Amino acid sequence: ILNVEQSPQSLHVQEGDSTNFTCSFPSSNFYALHWYRWETAKSPEALFVMTLNGDEKKKGRISATLNTKEGYSYLYIKGSQPEDSATYLCAFSGGSNYKLTFGKGTLLTVNP
Amino acid sequence: DAGVIQSPRHEVTEMGQEVTLRCKPISGHDYLFWYRQTMMRGLELLIYFNNNVPIDDSGMPEDRFSAKMPNASFSTLKIQPSEPRDSAVYFCASSLSQTNEKLFFGSGTQLSVL
Repeated sequence: ILNVEQSPQSLHVQEGDSTNFTCSFPSSNFYALHWYRWETAKSPEALFVMTLNGDEKKKGRISATLNTKEGYSYLYIKGSQPEDSATYLCAFSGGSNYKLTFGKGTLLTVNP
Repeated sequence: DAGVIQSPRHEVTEMGQEVTLRCKPISGHDYLFWYRQTMMRGLELLIYFNNNVPIDDSGMPEDRFSAKMPNASFSTLKIQPSEPRDSAVYFCASSLSQTNEKLFFGSGTQLSVL
């Protein structure tokens, strides 16, 4: 069983704050790391797929970094807006079978 | 493309009944995945197909669960007989590859077994 841990479980911030959260995964046999955004009553939507150590990806105010040697990825949101409120999921692929294993997510609430 | 299409959106059934969930992947995607979302366990992979062939069904909870993909544009997940503990949201997703291409999720089926 591959453990993909996300922290914190939930987070409340004020509009305009910048925030970040963490995804930890096994550092051996890494293949890919995904980030998804999941709004209430909708389905998860992909933000980033990263495959190389040191990868940095950016989409608007959201960016992500990847450290495969130590087994973590950070997701950053700059200047949070209420519409950023969602659950942010990471998913790790690696190990012996390369299946995508999801973390339980970080629930972000941005207060206006 | 309309995206991944799942039906029904909601299903309420009684314990012991057969339940069939349906999925149409995005055209051209070679991989199709069935996931189950619960509060306790998060998103769990049940089974995935590559080019209509089941590759890994180790996540299927027990023999009451079965999945088929008779062609590139259609898959079913069947639960027979259903039990209250099967209540969850079931997602279908498709992608161009197993792991390093993003997954596209359907809207999910909210299943309630009474």
